Amino acid sequence: QKEVEQNSGPLSVPEGAIASLNCTYSDRGSQSFFWYRQYSGKSPELIMSIYSNGDKEDGRFTAQLNKASQYVSLLIRDSQPSDSATYLCAVNKILRSGTYKYIFGTGTRLKVLA
Amino acid sequence: DTGVSQDPRHKITKRGQNVTFRCDPISEHNRLYWYRQTLGQGPEFLTYFQNEAQLEKSRLLSDRFSAERPKGSFSTLEIQRTEQGDSAMYLCASSLGYGTGRNQPQHFGDGTRLSIL
Repeated sequence: QKEVEQNSGPLSVPEGAIASLNCTYSDRGSQSFFWYRQYSGKSPELIMSIYSNGDKEDGRFTAQLNKASQYVSLLIRDSQPSDSATYLCAVNKILRSGTYKYIFGTGTRLKVLA
Repeated sequence: DTGVSQDPRHKITKRGQNVTFRCDPISEHNRLYWYRQTLGQGPEFLTYFQNEAQLEKSRLLSDRFSAERPKGSFSTLEIQRTEQGDSAMYLCASSLGYGTGRNQPQHFGDGTRLSIL
């Protein structure tokens, strides 16, 4: 089992629809969760961070976290063609040394159709 | 602009050569990370520094790879005796944080794309 799993897609949604992106993780000790957007050939840019169970909204984006089920999701309302990109889920992993690292999923490619 | 800066943006070299990349983090960030990303994959963790201390290094990182952050500011990643499989995007990110609680998000530079001929 991968430490962070995402459906690679592509996920195609019509313009104006809600896009729902999901991510599951394996380490129950994870405390910090992030969504990044990455356009082709560019570096990841932060969209949302979430630390507590429940929903967190920022503009058209809503992140949802359920630690008991070990999943985190991202909803994009009123999807626009400019939202077409790969969305990366990142989860922190605490190591035995007491340090930590971030584990990224492989990303879900989203296509918003005009 | 005070974002994460990486240099060079592109590097083409012959197999067997050594290459060095530089990363300048956001000035107030104490944590600096290096990742490698290949097509269709998410960023793969290589190593991370808190201030000048290298606290974690991936087992995937062979002895040919070394990273430094001598004064807790900029960092360099060196690859010796490059191989075809080293061709990838090398990303640097920085963040502010202490302890192992809620971790602040990382901010990425534009990356260095390495091509091995």
